[in-house]
Amino acid sequence: EAQVTQNPRYLITVTGKKLTVTCSQNMNHEYMSWYRQDPGLGLRQIYYSMNVEVTDKGDVPEGYKVSRKEKRNFPLILESPSPNQTSLYFCASTLAGDPGADTQYFGPGTRLTVL
Amino acid sequence: AQSVTQLGSHVSVSEGALVLLRCNYSSSVPPYLFWYVQYPNQGLQLLLKYTSAATLVKGINGFEAEFKKSETSFHLTKPSAHMSDAAEYFCAVSDEGRALTFGSGTRLQVQP
Repeated sequence: EAQVTQNPRYLITVTGKKLTVTCSQNMNHEYMSWYRQDPGLGLRQIYYSMNVEVTDKGDVPEGYKVSRKEKRNFPLILESPSPNQTSLYFCASTLAGDPGADTQYFGPGTRLTVL
Repeated sequence: AQSVTQLGSHVSVSEGALVLLRCNYSSSVPPYLFWYVQYPNQGLQLLLKYTSAATLVKGINGFEAEFKKSETSFHLTKPSAHMSDAAEYFCAVSDEGRALTFGSGTRLQVQP
């Protein structure tokens, strides 16, 4: 089944404790991105990757890191989480070429709480 | 930069009634437009998208949206609401080669 998976689905942590949220897709998509969803703000893009070893900042990249060592995986790293990073996070992927025109496929989401 | 406005953060309709969710975008050129739906505890899934082929776009589950360039609108409609339509709906806009910009979302409630 074609899908985007994220782990963990729920995470409660404390300020400053490094964490990684994994994202994997099995559709051979080139473009992957991370969003955060906050009430009243919709989804905002954190980082995106056009292909392996090619990543770039989205609209709200502060406090986050990503890597793209393999085509299928795009982990999101919070080196020193803070309470304002409490949010619902989504990974998404799209086939290739034009992220603006192509359908994006979303993972199920990771609900992160930073105390 | 693109922006999109969804009027009404919450919309409540009765089962069987018309569903109308509003979306207006800012753009000087015809954009790509999408509606995504998010069911409780799930990720977003594509409902429909406009890519300039036709102004009236039909999507899944009986939804459709009409692109009106003169009004810079892309409102989502469904003639008859079903209980299973209760979800949050996001309008999104983009230019070619750029990432999506999402609206703030509209939560649809369907009353029995």
